[in-house]
Formats: sequence, structure tokens, C-alpha cells
Amino acid sequence: ELKVEQNPLFLSMQEGKNYTIYCNYSTTSDRLYWYRQDPGKSLESLFVLLSNGAVKQEGRLMASLDTKARLSTLHITAAVHDLSATYFCAVDGFGNEKLTFGTGTRLTIIP
Amino acid sequence: DVKVTQSSRYLVKRTGEKVFLECVQDMDHENMFWYRQDPGLGLRLIYFSYDVKMKEKGDIPEGYSVSREKKERFSLILESASTNQTSMYLCATQAGGAGEYEQYFGPGTRLTVT
Repeated sequence: ELKVEQNPLFLSMQEGKNYTIYCNYSTTSDRLYWYRQDPGKSLESLFVLLSNGAVKQEGRLMASLDTKARLSTLHITAAVHDLSATYFCAVDGFGNEKLTFGTGTRLTIIP
Repeated sequence: DVKVTQSSRYLVKRTGEKVFLECVQDMDHENMFWYRQDPGLGLRLIYFSYDVKMKEKGDIPEGYSVSREKKERFSLILESASTNQTSMYLCATQAGGAGEYEQYFGPGTRLTVT
């Protein structure tokens, strides 16, 4: 069974600081997805990482994938308030189109 | 842009009622999924469908059924709603085919069963 673990589950950080969210998964996969969810809203796709060593950046967010370590990171640079949301990572089992989601990291940016 | 719509944003039903949640997509995607989302549990897959009239159980199918009579429409059915089915329900679509595994989500239906 594929397990996906995120940490931390809750993160409160000050504006302007840097931080990293970690996503570990338990079986072989070379595809990983990051989503953002605002309170009361649905999930919005942020990044699709499709190979070992993949790195993608958008604004103050950067995601990377290390398939050997079964680890993805979502790095936040110089946080701003509008990044406050819950972030989910998801993995598809090798060759399987279903996604298994982590439990999410609720990020709160404090002014 | 992919557009995924769900029939209701909020729904209140009584225990024992039959409940229909509908999802419609306009992108000709092959695959469609139903999840429920509960605090601290993340998203859990209820059912999914790879094609019209095809369905497969996800991780928590008990108490639910689905119907996919047309490619663009995927319905989730609660045969006899119970209070433990109070949750946020999310529909997602996926293009299908090699390497196209990104899922696109609808706005969600928050269901309360009293």
C-alpha cells in the first residue's frame, strides 16, 4: 500500500521567512504532484514533477523531487500572507493513474 | 482550461435519504474520480472510472455507488445517507494516457447528513 506523509502538518511562519514542507512516500514512483487548497475551496494544481531531479518554480514556491530518497520538498521563499493555504502532495503508484494524497500541511503566514 | 462542475456547493440531507452528487466536465477527459475530504485525513478515494460504464472501487467505497452513463458525467450515490457520511466531496478528472496523470478538481460539495 502506498503511503504518503507530509510534515509538518501545521506551520505558522512570519512574513519574509523561508521554510520547507516535506513529502515522503513509501513505494517506487517517479511522478509527484503538489496542490494548494484555500479554506472552503477546492484543490488547485501547483506543480507536476515527472522525473528524478525535477525542479519547478513559480513565484516564491519551488518544488523538487528525489525519487531515490522518495522525497519531495516544497520550499517557500520570503513568505507573504497570500501564501496562507493548505498544501497537499500526491503520488501515483508506478504505472497507476490513481493518486494517493498526503494529509496536507496547513500553512499560516503571520504579518 | 479544464472546467469541472459539481451540482451543489452545499447540501443538507436527512439520515436514510438517497443522495445524488453529480460531476460534469467539459474537457473530454477519460478518467473521473470521487474523493471525500475530512479534517486530518486528507483526501480519500471513493470510486473512479476509466471509461463510460466502467467503475472501480477506491479505498473507501462502502456506503457509496457510482454511475457513468456519459463520458462527461460521473455521479456519486449515497444509497441511504448516514451521519458519518457528512463530509466534503470532491470530484476530479484526468486526461488519461501515458504520463498525463494530473488531476483537475471541481469546487466540492459540502454534505451534511442530520
